[in-house]
Amino acid sequence: DIQMTQSPSSLSASVGDRVTITCRASQDVNKYLNWYCQKPGQAPKLLIYASYSLQSGVPPRFRGSGFGTDFTLTISSLQPEDFGTYFCQQSYFTPYTFGQGTKLEIK
Amino acid sequence: QVQLVQSGAEVKKPGASVKISCQASGYTFTDYLMHWLRQAPGQGPEWMGMIHPDRGTTTYAQKFQGRVTMTRDTSTNTVYMDVTSLTSEDTAIYYCTREGVAVAGDYWGQGTLVTVSS
Repeated sequence: DIQMTQSPSSLSASVGDRVTITCRASQDVNKYLNWYCQKPGQAPKLLIYASYSLQSGVPPRFRGSGFGTDFTLTISSLQPEDFGTYFCQQSYFTPYTFGQGTKLEIK
Repeated sequence: QVQLVQSGAEVKKPGASVKISCQASGYTFTDYLMHWLRQAPGQGPEWMGMIHPDRGTTTYAQKFQGRVTMTRDTSTNTVYMDVTSLTSEDTAIYYCTREGVAVAGDYWGQGTLVTVSS
């Protein structure tokens, strides 16, 4: 199975900050890397698919990049509603595996 | 609007089975694959498998082969997942998700909590 490693595991940032989360795959997953945000008691919500494509309705302050094994999610200007746990997922090889999550807190 | 509505919470004893449902609405049911995932407390989601609602064909994660069965009923736009031989390690929230572009889960059910306890 492909292992997905996210960093950091948690971070705290202020409104307006630029935030970056990274995700590394244990083998090449081409561009098939998706990002989700999950808030307590809710299902994950898709933010970015295929490395850099913005899901409909997601604000453009979210940007994804990367190819192969190294990927990044950037929030250009953090907003109060952006708190939650962020997961990356590779959808290139079954089983489609997730990272362990990055918990983002707003200072 | 697209909606996936799952069945309610379940409490099961070790060794028992559970069957969870996911009813879809707001789109053509047979046009999109449906995936099942689960999430144990404090962990990331875990992919269990998928079903093509049109053909009924399935693909399961090797970890769950022989213990999970996914089916569908096109007359009610519902997919089902049966999990047998439950242990405490199966305690988790189970989600159905619709497969969108690039196999990403674009819509999710609300989740079904399955608790396995003696």
